[in-house]
Amino acid sequence: AQSVSQHNHHVILSEAASLELGCNYSYGGTVNLFWYVQYPGQHLQLLLKYFSGDPLVKGIKGFEAEFIKSKFSFNLRKPSVQWSDTAEYFCAVTPPFNTDKLIFGTGTRLQVFP
Amino acid sequence: GAGVSQSPSNKVTEKGKDVELRCDPISGHTALYWYRQSLGQGLEFLIYFQGNSAPDKSGLPSDRFSAERTGGSVSTLTIQRTQQEDSAVYLCASSPSSGGETQYFGPGTRLLVL
Repeated sequence: AQSVSQHNHHVILSEAASLELGCNYSYGGTVNLFWYVQYPGQHLQLLLKYFSGDPLVKGIKGFEAEFIKSKFSFNLRKPSVQWSDTAEYFCAVTPPFNTDKLIFGTGTRLQVFP
Repeated sequence: GAGVSQSPSNKVTEKGKDVELRCDPISGHTALYWYRQSLGQGLEFLIYFQGNSAPDKSGLPSDRFSAERTGGSVSTLTIQRTQQEDSAVYLCASSPSSGGETQYFGPGTRLLVL
């Protein structure tokens, strides 16, 4: 079945460590790609998005993601995490057959320890 | 401006009862979405409204689920004859238009069916 995969379910890091969260999708054709974040007790917020153009996208709070079309991937990165980055991170895709429907990955829980 | 609001924030009900969940989208947003976030299932698309067009109901899990959007603004998600597996957080999102625009999420309604 067509889907969005996040292979890291739970990531534990110390502050200042580098972060990379994987996201792969299985839709052919043109897709829109998103990373959302859900901080403890808060609602989902957009971190960054890719529609077209430069495949390296910069978002809020120092996050960036790279779209690699040949690998069907949109991995999220941050060079140096902070304790305040502790949250759940969701990759999402609008598939080419329905650009109004967000298909989410199962999420990655990130815990950052001081 | 105000974000997406949802009410109630929490709802506890008994199996077999009907529940109504409300969503107030961001003013001026023509597209409105409902998702369900349940343990182990991640975020699932339920239904999508765009303006006065017929809604995309393709994600509704059963005919016990229905939704309406009155006057192109407020939306109500109704679950009839609730079951324990309906326990989840129900999220509403809105976007300025359709076609892959960023979706802005509300805080969700946490539903517990006993």
